[in-house]
Amino acid sequence: DNVLTQSPGTLSLSPGERATLSCRASLTVDNNYLAWYQQKPGQAPRLLIYGASSRASGVPDRFSGSGSGTEFTLTISSLGPEDFAVYYCQQYDRSPRTFGQGTKLEIK
Amino acid sequence: QVTLRESGPALVRPTQTLTLTCSFSGFSFTTSGMCVGWIRQSPGKALEWLARIDFENQSFYTPSLERRLTISKDPSKDEVVLRMTDMDPADTGTYFCARTRYSRGPFDFWGPGALVTVSS
Repeated sequence: DNVLTQSPGTLSLSPGERATLSCRASLTVDNNYLAWYQQKPGQAPRLLIYGASSRASGVPDRFSGSGSGTEFTLTISSLGPEDFAVYYCQQYDRSPRTFGQGTKLEIK
Repeated sequence: QVTLRESGPALVRPTQTLTLTCSFSGFSFTTSGMCVGWIRQSPGKALEWLARIDFENQSFYTPSLERRLTISKDPSKDEVVLRMTDMDPADTGTYFCARTRYSRGPFDFWGPGALVTVSS
């Protein structure tokens, strides 16, 4: 399996600050088939980024994704109060599909 | 408008078989590449991919649970069914179904999830 390791586990920041979340894969993710999701309590995950760097429909441009191979990053340029949530990366290159363990973004 | 919704029992006894149904609208398995998958989340834990089925009726499972899982689809009803045998309290969690537009694609639409508790 392609194990995805996210860091940090918890990130404490203030509104307006920049957030940088990391996702490292144990195997190369070909074609940059990597996605990022946002999940708020009691809700289903929401697709933010696919193909490592393409924003999903309706996603604000303060969210951006980058990376390739085994190292990927989600950046939120200026945190809004609604951005505090848990973020997951997922690879859809190999079976089984796998998710990272998540990064919790909390208000400092 | 694409929608998905999970349904099934909220409570299952240990050793029983869980049957969950994903009812969807706004897309069809007649479209090349279309897939529906199941993902679960134990309380306070990360997402875990379980299985998916594609437009050609090919099914794929996470290896650790493969012997317990069966995914199937009923195109006449726009439904995907997941069966999990030999349920254990460790299987307690929220079960989501979600769509991928392509066999190798992200989950772009999700159901709200169904909470399943395994307890005697």
